[in-house]
Amino acid sequence: KAGVTQTPRYLIKTRGQQVTLSCSPISGHRSVSWYQQTPGQGLQFLFEYFSETQRNKGNFPGRFSGRQFSNSRSEMNVSTLELGDSALYLCASSFSTGTYNEQFFGPGTRLTVL
Amino acid sequence: SQQGEEDPQALSIQEGENATMNCSYKTSINNLQWYRQNSGRGLVHLILIRSNEREKHSGRLRVTLDTSKKSSSLLITASRAADTASYFCATDDPGGSQGNLIFGKGTKLSVKP
Repeated sequence: KAGVTQTPRYLIKTRGQQVTLSCSPISGHRSVSWYQQTPGQGLQFLFEYFSETQRNKGNFPGRFSGRQFSNSRSEMNVSTLELGDSALYLCASSFSTGTYNEQFFGPGTRLTVL
Repeated sequence: SQQGEEDPQALSIQEGENATMNCSYKTSINNLQWYRQNSGRGLVHLILIRSNEREKHSGRLRVTLDTSKKSSSLLITASRAADTASYFCATDDPGGSQGNLIFGKGTKLSVKP
């Protein structure tokens, strides 16, 4: 089975621009979660999508948004980029059919904001 | 907010030695997971332990869970240079959805050949 894939792997943007990141989950997985990882704040939950609906959201400003398509692929968008948005963005997928759900992560997208 | 806290923050050992990392958390959980991350890459799932389990093994990994102390430990036996990575514990968020994992800041393990 193919793992979680994320595109692009690296991205360089300038302040004020917007960016869209893509995540393809493991086949059969219906839940996709997004996380931001920075040296200062560590790994922080952004949001989770299940069956095209946002099921939970972390404590991030409205500039961060996402969506999920009918094939479970997910995108996240960050508008009006700030220097502090530079981070590794990770997505994870799981079956999400019970309480004990292993989440499997993709390789991440490294975003640099100049 | 941070739920898990790993201890120590950094650990340096020689190949062949055992490495033990600890994780403490604050609220009740359904399960706890351990992940490995190699230098800025994605997270690799190592093991999941349920709240009603006390110990779990997977190859050279041994995980324990003490819900009364709200703590878990990860033991890597006979470590190898390839085990050099950061290790994170993650708990589910009882108040949130199943897809929301709360991570600690991690233990950076260095295994010297």
